[in-house]
Amino acid sequence: ELQLVESGGGLVQPGGSLRLSCAASGFSVTSDYMSWVRQAPGKGLEWVSVIYSGSRTYYTDSVKGRFTISRDNSKNTLYLEMNSLRVEDTAVYYCTRVGYTEIFTADPWGQGTLVTVSS
Amino acid sequence: DIQMTQSPSSLSASVGDRVTISCRASQSISNFLNWYQQKPGKAPKLLIYSASTLRSGVPSRFSGGGSGTDFTLTISSLQPDDFAIYYCQQSYSTLPWTFGQGTNVDIK
Repeated sequence: ELQLVESGGGLVQPGGSLRLSCAASGFSVTSDYMSWVRQAPGKGLEWVSVIYSGSRTYYTDSVKGRFTISRDNSKNTLYLEMNSLRVEDTAVYYCTRVGYTEIFTADPWGQGTLVTVSS
Repeated sequence: DIQMTQSPSSLSASVGDRVTISCRASQSISNFLNWYQQKPGKAPKLLIYSASTLRSGVPSRFSGGGSGTDFTLTISSLQPDDFAIYYCQQSYSTLPWTFGQGTNVDIK
C-alpha cells in the first residue's frame, strides 16, 4: 500500500522558518514526481511546489525564493523548507505523489500538517 | 495559467438523488482532467482521472464525462458517504496544474 505521512507543522511567527517532512512507504520518492499542495482555512487547494525529473522543481509564484522542495532517497522522505513565512502561508500542507496513468494524477495524499503563521 | 471553474459552488441533495457537478476550463484541455473528493478534516482522494476513468476501488455510482473545456462529475444515487467537497483539476498544461474552487455537496 502506498502511504505518505507528514510532520513538522506548527505555530511560527511571521518571518520564521519551518521544515515539513513527508515519509513515504510502498514506493520510492525519487521514482515519481512529488509535490506539496496547501489548503488555507476554509479555502480550496493550491499547488505549492513539485519536484520531478531528477531535481527539477516548480514553485508557485508566491513562495518562490522562500520555499525549497527536496527529497532524500536514503530516508525515502520529501521535504519542504519554508523560510520568511507570512501570515498568508497559514494552511494545511499535504504531500502527494504525482503519478502518471494516462495523465498526471495526485495519488495518494498524506494526512496533512497544519502550519500557522501568527504573532 | 489555465483557470478551472466549477458550478455550482454548493448544492443540497438527498440520499438517492442524482447529482451532477460541472467543471469548465478556460481553454481546451482535451481529457486531462481529474476529480477529487475531500471530506471534512481529511485529505483529498482521487476519484476519476482522464475525465472518465474511475480509480480502482471507487464505487460505480460515480462517473465522469466531457472533453475539451466542459466536464461533469455525476453521482447516480447519492449515498451518505458521498457528502463532501469535490474538486476538479487539470494536468494538461505545464505547471501549475490548477484546481477548481470546489463544490460542496451537503444534506438537504
